[in-house]
Amino acid sequence: EDQVTQSPEALRLQEGESSSLNCSYTVSGLRGLFWYRQDPGKGPEFLFTLYSAGEEKEKERLKATLTKKESFLHITAPKPEDSATYLCAPGSSNTGKLIFGQGTTLQVKP
Amino acid sequence: NAGVMQNPRHLVRRRGQEARLRCSPMKGHSHVYWYRQLPEEGLKFMVYLQKENIIDESGMPKERFSAEFPKEGPSILRIQQVVRGDSAAYFCASSTDSDSPYGYTFGSGTRLTVV
Repeated sequence: EDQVTQSPEALRLQEGESSSLNCSYTVSGLRGLFWYRQDPGKGPEFLFTLYSAGEEKEKERLKATLTKKESFLHITAPKPEDSATYLCAPGSSNTGKLIFGQGTTLQVKP
Repeated sequence: NAGVMQNPRHLVRRRGQEARLRCSPMKGHSHVYWYRQLPEEGLKFMVYLQKENIIDESGMPKERFSAEFPKEGPSILRIQQVVRGDSAAYFCASSTDSDSPYGYTFGSGTRLTVV
């Protein structure tokens, strides 16, 4: 059965304090690992897609990496505007769907 | 280029009434997905549609729920005889195809409250 687990559930950081979010997955026929950002009251917003182990993608203060069983979202020197829920979603080539984790809610305090 | 449009943004229904949620995909997108998000829970897949076809409805409850994506017009998620447990945020997403490197584009959701 396809499963996705994100940790931690919630993370509080001071502005400038770097950290990492984890996404562990078991998916049959991985066709890509997607990261999204969701702000309160809004729909998820696409951040990255990773396709193979060892791949990395960067955008501003965010960097996503992928292994065969995990993906990490590294946040370097975060700012309060980075506060949001970050969702990980591996795609299954068998089912054609994205399977979402429960998310990590990040709060960055000034 | 408008994104995925969902309406209404908020919907209040009494127990036993019907709820109709509408979704217009992004221009050029022919694949539509519906997800449900309960408080403190993740996004749960409900149904995947293409024009006039239901591709996968494995996440949709067998009773009271139905979805369509007609040749003309928006996709509709219909919930009959709503119960309190149906209260949730319902998100629609669209893509150009099932293998899009950009994943899905999501709408802002419809928040259904059953009273």
